[in-house]
Amino acid sequence: GNSVTQMEGPVTLSEEAFLTINCTYTATGYPSLFWYVQYPGEGLQLLLKATKADDKGSNKGFEATYRKETTSFHLEKGSVQVSDSAVYFCALMNSGGYQKVTFGTGTKLQVIP
Amino acid sequence: EPEVTQTPSHQVTQMGQEVILRCVPISNHLYFYWYRQILGQKVEFLVSFYNNEISEKSEIFDDQFSVERPDGSNFTLKIRSTKLEDSAMYFCASSESGGPNEKLFFGSGTQLSVL
Repeated sequence: GNSVTQMEGPVTLSEEAFLTINCTYTATGYPSLFWYVQYPGEGLQLLLKATKADDKGSNKGFEATYRKETTSFHLEKGSVQVSDSAVYFCALMNSGGYQKVTFGTGTKLQVIP
Repeated sequence: EPEVTQTPSHQVTQMGQEVILRCVPISNHLYFYWYRQILGQKVEFLVSFYNNEISEKSEIFDDQFSVERPDGSNFTLKIRSTKLEDSAMYFCASSESGGPNEKLFFGSGTQLSVL
């Protein structure tokens, strides 16, 4: 079956530090890959996505590259801000299946001034 | 940006009681979903709903669970007789067309605590 493994949190960084949150996956076929973010008190929001191998998703300074050879989709940002403090979820979805998304456990990021 | 609205934000109930979690999806969306996250665990798919019927459900979604779209705007999840292990954050989501790369819009969740 499908599964997503992401690094345990919480991750605490100083403002302007470099961020990497690791994510690896197991899936049949060719899934689409996603990063969702949940800010305090809010719902899950799609941050970025990649739908095929070697695609790079990017948004708000965050990037992730779909690496089929290593089954990974690591999230990176060059310079984090306090406003990036949130929980980040790596996820995948196979084509078909009415958008049944498989999520990781989430990684809490805290950015301190 | 349009929002999915969930009520209540917190629900406390006694074991064995029925609960109804409510969601108002985005108005032009046709596909609706429930997910849940038990504390410290993964967000898990429960059920998808389209055209007034369940299109897919997980093994978690047993006979104690049901979903309904009672009118043109609400989408509800009912747990008939709650168990301690039903304590979780429940997320409602909706999408416009249900395609594999279609964006899912999530609500902010209902935290259910079963005592």
